[in-house]
Amino acid sequence: QKEVEQDPGPLSVPEGAIVSLNCTYSNSAFQYFMWYRQYSRKGPELLMYTYSSGNKEDGRFTAQVDKSSKYISLFIRDSQPSDSATYLCAMIRSGGYQKVTFGTGTKLQVIP
Amino acid sequence: KAGVTQTPRYLIKTRGQQVTLSCSPISGHRSVSWYQQTPGQGLQFLFEYFSETQRNKGNFPGRFSGRQFSNSRSEMNVSTLELGDSALYLCASSFVQTDEQFFGPGTRLTVL
Repeated sequence: QKEVEQDPGPLSVPEGAIVSLNCTYSNSAFQYFMWYRQYSRKGPELLMYTYSSGNKEDGRFTAQVDKSSKYISLFIRDSQPSDSATYLCAMIRSGGYQKVTFGTGTKLQVIP
Repeated sequence: KAGVTQTPRYLIKTRGQQVTLSCSPISGHRSVSWYQQTPGQGLQFLFEYFSETQRNKGNFPGRFSGRQFSNSRSEMNVSTLELGDSALYLCASSFVQTDEQFFGPGTRLTVL
């Protein structure tokens, strides 16, 4: 079993829809959580970083962390065709040296 | 503030050769991590350097090595290249080891 599980998709939604992307993890040592967006043939771009349970909002993006359920989500409101990309969740353990564990990524397509 | 830069952006090598990739982190960032990204395996952690010391290493053979200089710039080297080393090599930097990581655009290596 992988430490971080993420549905690879692809996920197709109409423009303007609310998108929900999710990751589950098995190791309770993960304490820091990130979401990245990666366009084809580009490096990942950091969208959200959080380390506490609850919600964090930034524009159209909301990151949600539920440490008790070992579950994180990224919500995209009013999705745009430019949001079409692969979304990666990533996690860092507490206490140790940085070794970021990534999900496999969910490919999102927003259809105009 | 300038982002993470990686050189070269593209490389074509033949089997058996060696290659050196370079990464300049965001100014002030002391932690540099390297990743290999392939369609089949996703993002895989290679190693992480902090203050010129390798602090963490992924599950890659000894042909993959790296180093970090006093100005936090980092290089990674792959010796005796194999066809399976063809990938996008990504460098990411952060201020400290539990901080969010920012990625460079990557170096796309093709081994023929």
